[in-house]
Amino acid sequence: NAGVTQTPKFQVLKTGQSMTLQCAQDMNHNSMYWYRQDPGMGLRLIYYSASEGTTDKGEVPNGYNVSRLNKREFSLRLESAAPSQTSVYFCASRETSGRASLNEQFFGPGTRLTVL
Amino acid sequence: AQSVAQPEDQVNVAEGNPLTVKCTYSVSGNPYLFWYVQYPNRGLQFLLKYITGDNLVKGSYGFEAEFNKSQTSFHLKKPSALVSDSALYFCAVRDNNNAGNMLTFGGGTRLMVKP
Repeated sequence: NAGVTQTPKFQVLKTGQSMTLQCAQDMNHNSMYWYRQDPGMGLRLIYYSASEGTTDKGEVPNGYNVSRLNKREFSLRLESAAPSQTSVYFCASRETSGRASLNEQFFGPGTRLTVL
Repeated sequence: AQSVAQPEDQVNVAEGNPLTVKCTYSVSGNPYLFWYVQYPNRGLQFLLKYITGDNLVKGSYGFEAEFNKSQTSFHLKKPSALVSDSALYFCAVRDNNNAGNMLTFGGGTRLMVKP
């Protein structure tokens, strides 16, 4: 199992450009998450998808959109990138049915995004 | 609202000495508590969790954590630190009464173990 995979690993954008960060998991998990990591602030939740076909806002959703394409894939889109969106982005997944609702999240390797 | 505090930005320990990384939390219901470790340029890896039961939880790589309900703490410990333990450590909490069941992370503590 590859676990949680993310593409690309690195990206540099100019202000106003758009891009989509891709995430896929092969663990058949119901829930998927997008976080951003900034120094001293831990991880902050951008959006999540509790199950296929649903998405909800997290703590810092402004400037982002998401798509839960199918059970495996959950993408994050920046429509018009801003320097404040320079960050490291992590995707995560978790099984949430039954006793598995007690389980931990599994994280991807991250995408390091710089917006100039 | 739930929150997590990691009061130390960095902890320095000599190899072979015991280490403690502190974490305190705030939730309205009963907490589910987690520790994750992040090595440079990598994603977060799960270390251990407290759901219920024994207050002392044992996890990966010889780490353990003690849940203290009265002090609302969940400090991470290891009896003898290794240089390879040097990494960024995150504490996280989930309120089991929270319908959204979202995970809230602390700001992280950088552990430096020196030979």
